Amino acid sequence: DAKTTQPPSMDCAEGRAANLPCNHSTISGNEYVYWYRQIHSQGPQYIIHGLKNNETNEMASLIITEDRKSSTLILPHATLRDTAVYYCIVRIRDNYGQNFVFGPGTRLSVLP
Amino acid sequence: NAGVTQTPKFQVLKTGQSMTLQCAQDMNHNSMYWYRQDPGMGLRLIYYSASEGTTDKGEVPNGYNVSRLNKREFSLRLESAAPSQTSVYFCASSLEIQGYEQFFGPGTRLTVL
Repeated sequence: DAKTTQPPSMDCAEGRAANLPCNHSTISGNEYVYWYRQIHSQGPQYIIHGLKNNETNEMASLIITEDRKSSTLILPHATLRDTAVYYCIVRIRDNYGQNFVFGPGTRLSVLP
Repeated sequence: NAGVTQTPKFQVLKTGQSMTLQCAQDMNHNSMYWYRQDPGMGLRLIYYSASEGTTDKGEVPNGYNVSRLNKREFSLRLESAAPSQTSVYFCASSLEIQGYEQFFGPGTRLTVL
């Protein structure tokens, strides 16, 4: 199973870009990278996912390296409401289905 | 649409008591999940249901049972609660099991004394 490594915490100034890294060096060719976030006491919220190419949606951008061993989630203009724990997840494939494994994540603090 | 709803929001049990956590989704999703989250940790998968009528164990199934009552509802039962089951429980659903994004409920905060 591919595992992920993220820094435990990061700070970012309000209005600046927040760049959250994730290492997944054992990822296999058919596994996607997903990003979720969890704002205090709420259920996790889906942000974005990708396989090989960079992806962008209304919330964020996902940059995946060419060797796919790492990725970066970019919040282009961080606001105080983006303060949350961010989870990088590599989808595990088993015989029946595909489970999501949430690690400890990165606690992002957006500072005024 | 309410999305994913969970009841109750809070519950306190004594050791040995039983209870059922309820989850419902109105998005016509086929797959549903139960996770637990302990303080300072990520989520761990307890059970999941790929489709109506099927359930499978996740990472931490011991001490729990589940029922996929119909397409909308997926319940989690603690037959004999233990202090180690004190946690926040999240239910989630996705269109299919095959890697679609999961949508989460607001959570149930359970304390076992």
